Amino acid sequence: GAVVSQHPSWVICKSGTSVKIECRSLDFQATTMFWYRQFPKQSLMLMATSNEGSKATYEQGVEKDKFLINHASLTLSTLTVTSAHPEDSSFYICSARIVWDRGLNQPQHFGDGTRLSIL
Amino acid sequence: AQTVTQSQPEMSVQEAETVTLSCTYDTSESDYYLFWYKQPPSRQMILVIRQEAYKQQNATENRFSVNFQKAAKSFSLKISDSQLGDAAMYFCAYRRRGETSGSRLTFGEGTQLTVNP
Repeated sequence: GAVVSQHPSWVICKSGTSVKIECRSLDFQATTMFWYRQFPKQSLMLMATSNEGSKATYEQGVEKDKFLINHASLTLSTLTVTSAHPEDSSFYICSARIVWDRGLNQPQHFGDGTRLSIL
Repeated sequence: AQTVTQSQPEMSVQEAETVTLSCTYDTSESDYYLFWYKQPPSRQMILVIRQEAYKQQNATENRFSVNFQKAAKSFSLKISDSQLGDAAMYFCAYRRRGETSGSRLTFGEGTQLTVNP
């Protein structure tokens, strides 16, 4: 079945550094990937929709300069948390849909998530 | 805008018994999909079951089944013969049918299910 690989699974870094998270579709092409943020015991909150070859669409309240998204190919999207601070600590999850799916009944495939801890 | 509501933050069930998790949603669309996802402590998102809004028949996947009431905008999940491995956070999700821009998922708040041995 379709697999989405997310890397790294856990990262700890100092305040002020930038952290890059990768989301790869391993056996399918994805024109669109989604980035979610999840706080403990809460639901997934959509941060942005990543479109291959174009600018990402950010949800209201999400700082685009803080969370840089690049979708350079049909199999890779990256989320960079710039100048990270402790309040950016969270669980980040990506998901992707198969490119040939045009409204068909295909679910999103999720990565395993990245636990980000900013000291 | 679409909204998904799960009114049960926590539920518990005895092993081998049946439990039903509730979900309601609000949308002006007529064609859409509904999903139940499971998130165990590993935090991996696992698709449990899905339902197309145009289908009247309720979806079933082994021990998991749904009660889809389109007019009432209700989409409950029934877990039969509960197992310890069913313990997880369960999320109800909605997705509009359509092109890529409409493929975003809207999640409910989640229901934490505990299975007691």
